[in-house]
Order: sequence, then structure tokens, then C-alpha cells
Amino acid sequence: DSGVTQTPKHLITATGQRVTLRCSPRSGDLSVYWYQQSLDQGLQFLIQYYNGEERAKGNILERFSAQQFPDLHSELNLSSLELGDSALYFCASSPTSGVSYEQYFGPGTRLTVT
Amino acid sequence: GENVEQHPSTLSVQEGDSAVIKCTYSDSASNYFPWYKQELGKGPQLIIDIRSNVGEKKDQRIAVTLNKTAKHFSLHITETQPEDSAVYFCAAIPSNDYKLSFGAGTTVTVRA
Repeated sequence: DSGVTQTPKHLITATGQRVTLRCSPRSGDLSVYWYQQSLDQGLQFLIQYYNGEERAKGNILERFSAQQFPDLHSELNLSSLELGDSALYFCASSPTSGVSYEQYFGPGTRLTVT
Repeated sequence: GENVEQHPSTLSVQEGDSAVIKCTYSDSASNYFPWYKQELGKGPQLIIDIRSNVGEKKDQRIAVTLNKTAKHFSLHITETQPEDSAVYFCAAIPSNDYKLSFGAGTTVTVRA
């Protein structure tokens, strides 16, 4: 158990809908990262937050957005869902030290868009 | 951006034998190289990592080597056991970045 929690574990929804995925980082970690894992694209970085501020963006679609709250949990919002958005979504967190890069992953949310 | 290539894509070994997975990276500024193990239905688990100022690191049956000149790094698993069966991912992070760039993964099967 990495100490990172994600809810829900599974999510089934229809095209055009909007969903919210939630992540709680390990105790003491200020950085949260979101990754998407699909069969054709592998593990892809989406976005990173550090202490409530967006720090880096990857291949994140405009239909997707995220935020990190004062209690450091993070939410990933996916809107106008398409079939191709079906994937595993992982959250990871890392220690606050500037020279420490270890990222610890949560169990993921499996999103199925029908 | 960083591009990480991983080989082989699948690896089948007899229990007790060794397994080796190789990765290459493109960005010479990369200085942190973690390896993750992902079991079915679970998130990636950090199993070992190496920084660019070190050439080799061991943790029990797992070792990682890094060749900065050639820009490649490898994972070695000795005395493989059935519980080593999983998908293994290598990754890299450039020194001015925090996001992981992953290889495509290697599915390791340990035959009893």
C-alpha cells in the first residue's frame, strides 16, 4: 500500500457526460500528479500540482481539468467524455524535497465510457 | 521532451533464472531513473530507482545499472520467483522537470 488513495475504483458513464476523480496524497506529500494509462498510449503524464498550484502540464486535453485543494487532495475533472477517454487514471504523490523525485502511485480509477 | 524505449516487450523465464530489462533514454539532462512493477488491477509500485551520479544499485534480488554515456539503464532480477510475474516499467525524469516519462512496459512471466 503506497498511502495514496483514489476514488472511485471503477466508473462507468456515457459519452458526453462529466466525471470527477478524486485523489488523496500520502501524508506530508505536497505534489500530486495525474497519469492516464491506456493500451495504445501507455502511461502518459497529464498534470502536476504542488501545494495547490499547477506546476506542469503534459498531454492533457482541454476537456480535462484538475485542481488541488487546501487539504492537498486533488480532483481530476473529465467532461464531454468520448469513447477514447476510457482508460485507467492514476494519481501519484511525491515528497516535498526539491531533490527527491520518488513518485508513489495510487490504485487508480478505471473509467469506462459507453 | 524525454523519450524512453524499453525492451523486450515480453519476457518469459524459468523460476530461479535471471531476468533483464533494458531501457534507453533520449534527454541527456535526465538524472533520475525509477523502475515500477504493476500487477494486474493495481497501480505501479516503485521497486528501485537510481540517480545519475550512481552507476549501480542493488536491493536484495533486484539491481539497476546506468550507463550515462550510452544513455541506457537496465533492471536485473535474480533468482526469479512466481510473484515476480508482472508488468515492469522504466521511466526517466530530466533534471529540470518532475514528470515521469515511461517506457512501454515489459510483461514478465516466471514459469514454475
